[in-house]
Amino acid sequence: EIVLTQSPGTLSLSPGERATLSCRASQTISTNYLAWYQQKPGQAPRLLIYGASNRATGVPDRFSGSGSGTDFTLTISRLEPEDFAVYYCQEYGTSRTFGQGTKVEIK
Amino acid sequence: EVQLLESGGDLVQPGGSLRLSCAASGFTFSNYAMSWVRQAPGMGLEWVSAIDGSGGSTYHADSVKGRFTISRDNSKNTLYLQMNSLRVDDTAVYYCARGSAAGRPYYFQNWGQGTLVTVSS
Repeated sequence: EIVLTQSPGTLSLSPGERATLSCRASQTISTNYLAWYQQKPGQAPRLLIYGASNRATGVPDRFSGSGSGTDFTLTISRLEPEDFAVYYCQEYGTSRTFGQGTKVEIK
Repeated sequence: EVQLLESGGDLVQPGGSLRLSCAASGFTFSNYAMSWVRQAPGMGLEWVSAIDGSGGSTYHADSVKGRFTISRDNSKNTLYLQMNSLRVDDTAVYYCARGSAAGRPYYFQNWGQGTLVTVSS
């Protein structure tokens, strides 16, 4: 089973700043089968990125995904108030496992 | 518009059983794999079970294997999760999620709002 480790656990930033979230896999993820989800308190998760770098429908272009192999990154170029949330990465090629999440909080 | 509406969550005693349902609308149900994903209070996401579009292939996480069974009725556009031998650590919000394709690999393109299962004496 592929284990995903997200870092940092919590990111404290101000609106307008850039957020960089990391997701590292215990083994190579084939064909970049890596997705990112956003979850706000009391809400269901929402798909942001699939295939490591493809934005889902309706996702603002300030969100971008990159990486390959075992190292992946979600970048939010300029944080908006509605972006403060928890973000999860997921490998969906073999084990469907999720990372433990990164909380982006207001500084 | 894709809609997924879970139901069936309740308070149940350890060792008990429960069946969750997820009513789907807004898309051709049989064309998509479906999954259940759960989230314990204050914790992260855990994939539980998955089923392909035809219902012919099912998968379960090791933590629920032998206790939970996923199924679907494509004529009713409904997904199910039969949960037996429930344990305290099964307490969670259970989400129904639509896959991006009929079979693997697929990411979770749409999510329901979840239904709460509490296992406690």
